[in-house]
Amino acid sequence: DQQVKQNSPSLSVQEGRISILNCDYTNSMFDYFLWYKKYPAEGPTFLISISSIKDKNEDGRFTVFLNKSAKHLSLHIVPSQPGDSAVYFCAARRLSSGNTPLVFGKGTRLSVIA
Amino acid sequence: GAGVSQSPSNKVTEKGKDVELRCDPISGHTALYWYRQSLGQGLEFLIYFQGNSAPDKSGLPSDRFSAERTGGSVSTLTIQRTQQEDSAVYLCASSVAGGRETQYFGPGTRLLVL
Repeated sequence: DQQVKQNSPSLSVQEGRISILNCDYTNSMFDYFLWYKKYPAEGPTFLISISSIKDKNEDGRFTVFLNKSAKHLSLHIVPSQPGDSAVYFCAARRLSSGNTPLVFGKGTRLSVIA
Repeated sequence: GAGVSQSPSNKVTEKGKDVELRCDPISGHTALYWYRQSLGQGLEFLIYFQGNSAPDKSGLPSDRFSAERTGGSVSTLTIQRTQQEDSAVYLCASSVAGGRETQYFGPGTRLLVL
């Protein structure tokens, strides 16, 4: 039973346009959400996070939105650049329950076309 | 070292053999995690070490899997009597502590069981 779902396995976007990656979760106990980016043959690298007390967090070209009632979060990249082409993983955890592991989605492969 | 390192980077083994995968976390990081990513899947939590506390083994898929962390630093993941379904990328991550702190991932070990 997948607790974190990324229903789009892939996404193609033109350079300069907005990329929107979506993530849904089923466990209402999750209170901390993260996005990781992964290039081939490398480990995932942390991109941006959001706590459940917020609905938006912005860092440069990257913004994460959280809709708790819908159990949905999204990552917006604007403007998209060819170097953003990678697999993006959504992850969630229950910080309020102590040290719990991250629960990851299956990832979305983003291709930014020049 | 500057980041999390893992060895070997690739491992091919025959069904039924034992394998050991090594992780060197970032110096000073007290939390260490093992995940695996099977083909087409997200990252699956395996085991978590935090300081001198008993490890959280709740993600280990069977008793063929075990892990140790010696001296609070290097960790070894051992898979006994490997099966073909064990083929995956095994990723190690470390963080300063086990809470909100960012997890830094190593490049992974690609295991292929023939």
